[in-house]
Amino acid sequence: GESVGLHLPTLSVQEGDNSIINCAYSNSASDYFIWYKQESGKGPQFIIDIRSNMDKRQGQRVTVLLNKTVKHLSLQIAATQPGDSAVYFCAESPSMGAGTALIFGKGTTLSVSS
Amino acid sequence: NAGVTQTPKFRVLKTGQSMTLLCAQDMNHEYMYWYRQDPGMGLRLIHYSVGEGTTAKGEVPDGYNVSRLKKQNFLLGLESAAPSQTSVYFCASTKEGYGYTFGSGTRLTVV
Repeated sequence: GESVGLHLPTLSVQEGDNSIINCAYSNSASDYFIWYKQESGKGPQFIIDIRSNMDKRQGQRVTVLLNKTVKHLSLQIAATQPGDSAVYFCAESPSMGAGTALIFGKGTTLSVSS
Repeated sequence: NAGVTQTPKFRVLKTGQSMTLLCAQDMNHEYMYWYRQDPGMGLRLIHYSVGEGTTAKGEVPDGYNVSRLKKQNFLLGLESAAPSQTSVYFCASTKEGYGYTFGSGTRLTVV
């Protein structure tokens, strides 16, 4: 089946650095992408999303970039803080609405040292 | 503003026992989903529902059943638990297919 994967299982950064977490997806028909943050013992927490008709979207300290040509998604976290330490998942959906479910990648563990 | 609530939070079952996991959302969302998460893995879809009275199979439906008798509730049942069903189960809901909201999970161990 088609799936979403992440390039690196772990990423270690220093506090204050910018972090970039990458994700490659395989379904060229995917229309909607989300980044989630999951802390230990908790459910996934929505960070930011992007539709396929966009190539960049910014939030508070986070930016998602979408490159449909190479089917690549990235999450950039500015001025990374210890509280950003968590597992980050990208997820894709073939289309918004109609009850289509998200397909998740395996996750990247971000460790921030102070 | 509870969002998505899952009960129970933890459960230990013996092989062959049955149980039901409850997911409740108070956001009037149409779509609800059950996922399982195994160590080192992303979330995999078990079953989902696009509205009251409807259910559909996801990626890993075997050994599970679901029901959506009320819009706000989505139940996941295990008729005869197996050790392979040891996992963390997450429920999610969404109104129009974006901004999915997840519950805090149910950690199930089958011995």
